[in-house]
Amino acid sequence: GESVGLHLPTLSVQEGDNSIINCAYSNSASDYFIWYKQESGKGPQFIIDIRSNMDKRQGQRVTVLLNKTVKHLSLQIAATQPGDSAVYFCAERSADKLIFGTGTRLQVFP
Amino acid sequence: DGGITQSPKYLFRKEGQNVTLSCEQNLNHDAMYWYRQDPGQGLRLIYYSQIVNDFQKGDIAEGYSVSREKKESFPLTVTSAQKNPTAFYLCASSIEGIRRQPQHFGDGTRLSIL
Repeated sequence: GESVGLHLPTLSVQEGDNSIINCAYSNSASDYFIWYKQESGKGPQFIIDIRSNMDKRQGQRVTVLLNKTVKHLSLQIAATQPGDSAVYFCAERSADKLIFGTGTRLQVFP
Repeated sequence: DGGITQSPKYLFRKEGQNVTLSCEQNLNHDAMYWYRQDPGQGLRLIYYSQIVNDFQKGDIAEGYSVSREKKESFPLTVTSAQKNPTAFYLCASSIEGIRRQPQHFGDGTRLSIL
């Protein structure tokens, strides 16, 4: 997308496959995490969130996993569809401040 | 439908000119935010406001100014002091400030230099 970046890491998946997008966060004291989806020319859209006292949370076709030991967050999208094509980025809340990641571009091909 | 409306979608600034980006929300949210998005970087907070007539500087406030005279509106002015204003600007809101997430975003304004 024009608004997000030219050199983002890209994940290419076939329609119908599962996608896993990863995020390494910076602060072990962060207590809340969010995944956003951003389509080209649009603002970020909330997908799912998770608090630090949880390891896993499921939504509709999406699952977020949190591994606090290695400060890693992942977003799993089941049965990826063409409409899932976008940039996905995570955010962590630390000391009442949100820190946003740079994002991963998901491309879905037929 | 409730949401955040940013205007204009595209804006061009001449040297030495101040420009104002509009952000209006009808979500009845108390808190509003302005972020800047640059290629290869995460969103960076410019200013935020937790309540009408109050606002705080974010991480990159230099060269920007805001006002919050109404709950629904949080305009951002990019002044001539901002030497690198070309970016995608995003406005967001949340129910009660930073501890009440997630934030809802508008669709952005792309600012370019003439």
